Amino acid sequence: GNSVTQMEGPVTLSEEAFLTINCTYTATGYPSLFWYVQYPGEGLQLLLKATKADDKGSNKGFEATYRKETTSFHLEKGSVQVSDSAVYFCALISLYNQGGKLIFGQGTELSVKP
Amino acid sequence: DTGVSQDPRHKITKRGQNVTFRCDPISEHNRLYWYRQTLGQGPEFLTYFQNEAQLEKSRLLSDRFSAERPKGSFSTLEIQRTEQGDSAMYLCASSRTSGTSNSGTDTQYFGPGTRLTVL
Repeated sequence: GNSVTQMEGPVTLSEEAFLTINCTYTATGYPSLFWYVQYPGEGLQLLLKATKADDKGSNKGFEATYRKETTSFHLEKGSVQVSDSAVYFCALISLYNQGGKLIFGQGTELSVKP
Repeated sequence: DTGVSQDPRHKITKRGQNVTFRCDPISEHNRLYWYRQTLGQGPEFLTYFQNEAQLEKSRLLSDRFSAERPKGSFSTLEIQRTEQGDSAMYLCASSRTSGTSNSGTDTQYFGPGTRLTVL
């Protein structure tokens, strides 16, 4: 079946450090891939997405590249800020599912210290 | 555009009681999704509607769960005879999907969730 695996958290970084959160997936065909972010006390927000192989999604300094050969969609940011502290979820939608349901990883908590 | 809203934000109930949650999607969004999120886990799909039709239900949705979307606008999720294992955050999301678009490219907008605690 379709699934998403993320690196375990929590991840603790100092401000301006480089961030990588690993995400790999298992899916039939070529799914669309997403990163959602959940700030404390708020709902899930779409951070970025990529819908085909080699696409790069980017937003707010974050980026992720759809790698078909490694079935990965790792999230990166060159210089994190305290305000980036949140839980990050990698997710996919299988193109064989007409309903478009999202399949999420377990989430990775990021804590950025000043 | 006021975003997806959910009511109540928190619900505490005793085991065996029935509860009902409401979700108001973004206006003109024809798809509405329900997910459940337990502590330390990612959201899991429960069911979705396109307009008023419920088109898919997860095996997670036992017979005690029922969802409706009358008139294709707001939706309700009812849990009957609640159990402690039902304690979770219930999330609603909506999207606008045309008949010819690829569902994988449509953005789902999430509400703040309803946190259910069953004592």
